[in-house]
Amino acid sequence: DAKTTQPPSMDCAEGRAANLPCNHSTISGNEYVYWYRQIHSQGPQYIIHGLKNNETNEMASLIITEDRKSSTLILPHATLRDTAVYYCIVSSGAGSYQLTFGKGTKLSVIP
Amino acid sequence: DTAVSQTPKYLVTQMGNDKSIKCEQNLGHDTMYWYKQDSKKFLKIMFSYNNKELIINETVPNRFSPKSPDKAHLNLHINSLELGDSAVYFCASSQRGGPHGYTFGSGTRLTVV
Repeated sequence: DAKTTQPPSMDCAEGRAANLPCNHSTISGNEYVYWYRQIHSQGPQYIIHGLKNNETNEMASLIITEDRKSSTLILPHATLRDTAVYYCIVSSGAGSYQLTFGKGTKLSVIP
Repeated sequence: DTAVSQTPKYLVTQMGNDKSIKCEQNLGHDTMYWYKQDSKKFLKIMFSYNNKELIINETVPNRFSPKSPDKAHLNLHINSLELGDSAVYFCASSQRGGPHGYTFGSGTRLTVV
């Protein structure tokens, strides 16, 4: 699986959009970009995934660059409950695929 | 209904003991996983398992063994517990064969004293 690079930490004001970047310059053509988050002491929570096109669900939007070498997770209106570690993961998603978690970005939403 | 449930939530035990952690999922998924999160908060895959294959992370000591009585259950058995086994263990499940997300349990905090 391709490796990812994320900033170790970010702050965001409550109510503003949180934009979390991720670099995955070695991504292969069949690999998806997945985003998970882990709120303190809880199990990781799936947020969204995408291959080429931008994706949106009730939690977030995922913007993938045309060359697929980087992506941005957008939380449109961050709340205090969004404070968590956010993980960007690249995986083929085929078969019994395994997710390899990196260090992630610690997002702090500030009142 | 909890989608992926683990028991116990907390486990304190002495070195040398043998213990098991149980995991059950009611999502109808066919693949289950065990992850370990150490004190530095790194999440590491230990096993993935479905009824056709068991994939073991080569760094996992053979004191750890997954046991699956059926598709909805994947238990983790640990022999001869060591201090370094203290961690939070997460179970997860997913559906094989597609870019599906994982669903994680809430974790079991194991403390070896």
